[in-house]
Formats: sequence, structure tokens, C-alpha cells
Amino acid sequence: DQQVKQNSPSLSVQEGRISILNCDYTNSMFDYFLWYKKYPAEGPTFLISISSIKDKNEDGRFTVFLNKSAKHLSLHIVPSQPGDSAVYFCAARLRGSQGNLIFGKGTKLSVKP
Amino acid sequence: KAGVTQTPRYLIKTRGQQVTLSCSPISGHRSVSWYQQTPGQGLQFLFEYFSETQRNKGNFPGRFSGRQFSNSRSEMNVSTLELGDSALYLCASSLVAGGPGELFFGEGSRLTVL
Repeated sequence: DQQVKQNSPSLSVQEGRISILNCDYTNSMFDYFLWYKKYPAEGPTFLISISSIKDKNEDGRFTVFLNKSAKHLSLHIVPSQPGDSAVYFCAARLRGSQGNLIFGKGTKLSVKP
Repeated sequence: KAGVTQTPRYLIKTRGQQVTLSCSPISGHRSVSWYQQTPGQGLQFLFEYFSETQRNKGNFPGRFSGRQFSNSRSEMNVSTLELGDSALYLCASSLVAGGPGELFFGEGSRLTVL
């Protein structure tokens, strides 16, 4: 049973527009949610995180929104750039755990010039 | 600051063999976690080590094992390899301080089992 789900395997966006990547989770014991970006032949790179007690966290062009009642989070990238083209993973951490993250299966974002 | 280093980057083994993968964490990071990435299952947690002790273990058979040394470097071993063990094995390190769980990943070791 997948505890973290990314239902869109791919997303295509025009350069300069907003990219919205979505993630749903089932476990209420997650205390942090994170987004990672992965280019081919590289390891995932941390982008942004949000505590379960917050509903928004912003870092430059990246904003993560958390809706606990819906068990849903989203990553907004504004404006999207061609260099943002990569696979984006949503991950969640169980309360009390440090290195054990539960990942979604990823969404491949393509930003077209 | 040097990142997480994994060796070897690529390797090919045959069924029944064993393999050892190595990971050097970022200097000062004491926690090391291992993940398996496959196209069908995505990234799955294998185990986590801190101060030479395994803290967490994922849902993998006993053929998968690991250890951590006093300098925080870690190795993982897979014995009696099966075709389904073909995957990208990722190591990640982190500072352990109850923070937001940010993991720093290496580039991975791609294992092909024939």
C-alpha cells in the first residue's frame, strides 16, 4: 500500500508559466514532507521541505503547500525554466525517524522553451 | 565541501554472486541511509546507520545487509544476487539533530544482475 502517491507520472509546462506538482499521503504520523529533484544519472537533490505544523513554505521560485485535512501537498514552481526539467519526488518522514523517507514514484516535469 | 561519494558507479554481476557497495558521507554527517531505486517501485528505504548502529531497516530480505564504520563510511552487501536486485542503489547522509530530514544523496551505484 503506497503511503505517498504522485498520481501524475508526467507534466509538461511552457517556460515562464507555473508548474504544479501534486502529492497525496495516507499516514497521519508523517512530521515532515520534502521535495527532491532528480536528473538522469544523478542522485536526488533536496529542494524544499515543510513541517506538518505549517501550511506553506517558500524558497525563491519554489513554494510547497500542505493541506493536512486533505492529506495533500503541492509544489509550485514560478516561473518555470527549462532547467527545471527533471523528475520530482515527494517524500515524507515518519515522526521519530531521521533517515527513513517514504518516497512517491515521481513526476517527470518537462518545461518547454 | 565534498558530496556523498559512492563506489563503484556501475557494476555487473551474475545471479548467485554477492556485491559490496561503498558510501562516504559528507564530512561531519554521521547518519547514512541506503535506498534502492527501480522503475517499478521507485525509491525504497533499505536501512539507516548512525554511530555504527543500524537504526532502521526497510522491508527487504536478509540478503541485504550493511554496516557503518567509525569514520561514518558505510557499506552495503547483497548476497545471492537475484535478477530483481538490478537497481540503482543510492546512499544518503544527513546531520542528525531532529531537523527536517534533509538527506544528501550520492549519484548511486547501478547494479545489473545477469
